[in-house]
Order: sequence, then structure tokens, then C-alpha cells
Amino acid sequence: GEDVEQSLFLSVREGDSSVINCTYTDSSSTYLYWYKQEPGAGLQLLTYIFSNMDMKQDQRLTVLLNKKDKHLSLRIADTQTGDSAIYFCAEKGATNKLIFGTGTLLAVQP
Amino acid sequence: EAGVVQSPRYKIIEKKQPVAFWCNPISGHNTLYWYRQNLGQGPELLIRYENEEAVDDSQLPKDRFSAERLKGVDSTLKIQPAELGDSAVYLCASSPLAGSGETQYFGPGTRLLVL
Repeated sequence: GEDVEQSLFLSVREGDSSVINCTYTDSSSTYLYWYKQEPGAGLQLLTYIFSNMDMKQDQRLTVLLNKKDKHLSLRIADTQTGDSAIYFCAEKGATNKLIFGTGTLLAVQP
Repeated sequence: EAGVVQSPRYKIIEKKQPVAFWCNPISGHNTLYWYRQNLGQGPELLIRYENEEAVDDSQLPKDRFSAERLKGVDSTLKIQPAELGDSAVYLCASSPLAGSGETQYFGPGTRLLVL
């Protein structure tokens, strides 16, 4: 079946780069997404990548996709305290519905 | 432009009571989703509508959950009767149209606590 896995926690210092990793099992994934969830709020779409791309950059965000290994990463450059949140990876496969990971809590230390 | 609106934001009920959640999607969005997010987990799809038609309700526990989107705009999700295990955040999302690349926009969610 479809499964998406993420590490639970990541702690970085303000100004450093953060790298959040995700692995998925569905080889027919068409799109992969990164969402951000702040406390008590809904999910905010940060960026997405089409499965035939290797990399996508959007300001401080860089998404890398290794389709062979089914590995997705999100790099946040110059991480700020406002980036502290839970980050969810999600994939869309043949069923055309989003499968979310369990989320990675990013804690940014000042 | 207003985002996805959900109400109430919080609900506390006793088990076996009914409860209903309401969602108003972004104007013009044909596709509406209801998700359940358990504590420490990612959201899981309950049901997806395209206009007024439920096109994927395979994950909806139909013995106690029901949903409707009568005019293809706003939607209601109901639980009757609620059980302790239904405590979660219920998220509504919408997207412009169903397709391979549409972006889903999420509301703030309704946090349900069943005592």
C-alpha cells in the first residue's frame, strides 16, 4: 500500500540550514508536496514537485527528489524562528488522493 | 480572497452525542475534501466531493459518519453517535478542479474532543 515516512523531530539553530527528509513507497506518485502546519492552524502548502523533476527552488526553499530511491527532501536556507512548525510530506499517486506522512517537528533555536 | 472557512473551531461533547462540522470552500473551487488528523499524525482523507457528488468515500466510516454537499458549495460532516476515538482535528480542504496537479487549500480545522 501507499506509505509516507518522516523523522519526528529536527532541531537547528537560527541562521543554519534545515533539511527535512521523507520517503514514500508508491512508485506511481505523480506529485509530491510539502505542507507547513503551525500550532492550531490548518496546513499551508509550501511547495510541490512533479515526479519527473529532480529539483525545485523557491526562494529559501529547495526540494530534491530522488525518484529511484523514493526520497524527497526539503531544505530551508537561513532558518528563522518563524519557521518553527510541523512539516508534512505528501504524495499523490494512482488513486489521485494525498497520502501524508506523520510530520516532522522543526524546532529553531535562537 | 477568503480562504476555506470552518466552524466551529472547537467542540467538546460527551460520547454518544451527535456533532456536525461545517465547511465553506474557496469560492469557485469545485472539489472539496474532508480529512481527519489524529494527534501526532498526518491528515487522512475521509471523503472527496467533486461538485455535489461524493467521488471517494472509501475511508468514511459509514456506520456513524455522514457528509453532504447539497448545492456543490458548502459541506457538512456529521458524526452520530460520537465515540471517544473520534477525538481529532477535522480538516476541510478545497481545490479548483480535480486533476493531477491541483493544489489543495486547507481550512483551520475543527478540533473535536469526545469525553
